[in-house]
Amino acid sequence: QQQVKQSPQSLIVQKGGIPIINCAYENTAFDYFPWYQQFPGKGPALLIAIRPDVSEKKEGRFTISFNKSAKQFSLHIMDSQPGDSATYFCAASSAGNQFYFGTGTSLTVIP
Amino acid sequence: GAGVSQSPRYKVAKRGQDVALRCDPISGHVSLFWYQQALGQGPEFLTYFQNEAQLDKSGLPSDRFFAERPEGSVSTLKIQRTQQEDSAVYLCASSLKGGSTEAFFGQGTRLTVV
Repeated sequence: QQQVKQSPQSLIVQKGGIPIINCAYENTAFDYFPWYQQFPGKGPALLIAIRPDVSEKKEGRFTISFNKSAKQFSLHIMDSQPGDSATYFCAASSAGNQFYFGTGTSLTVIP
Repeated sequence: GAGVSQSPRYKVAKRGQDVALRCDPISGHVSLFWYQQALGQGPEFLTYFQNEAQLDKSGLPSDRFFAERPEGSVSTLKIQRTQQEDSAVYLCASSLKGGSTEAFFGQGTRLTVV
């Protein structure tokens, strides 16, 4: 059973566009929701994370929107660049236990 | 060190061979995780240590998989009698403390069983 459901599987946007990646979860015990960026041949790199007591968090061009009642959260990338082309994973954890990862979104930003 | 270091980066094993994968976490990080990532998939949890204590090994797929962290820093994931289905990237992550906090991943070890 997939604890965190992620969509879309792939996404293509023009440079400057705002790709949005969505994730949904069921376990209300989750208290930490990070997003990771992964380039081919590299390990996942932490991008931004949010806790359920806030509805939005911004770091640079990356924004997480969090809807606790709907049990959904999303990543927005402002002014996307070709260098943002990578696979993005959402994740969730509770009380520092294992992270449950989504299945990933392959983002391509066309120059 | 500056980041999580894993070795070897690549490992080719013949079916039935035993392998050992090493993880050097960020200095001072209490928590250490092992994940398995199949091609095109998200990382799947294998096991979790807090210092030297293995608190959760529920993700280990079989008794052929064994992990240890005897002194609370370096960890080794051992796979005995490797099978083709063990082929994957094995990722190690560490975080400063317990609780839901930032976890930093190494580059992984790509294991190919032939």
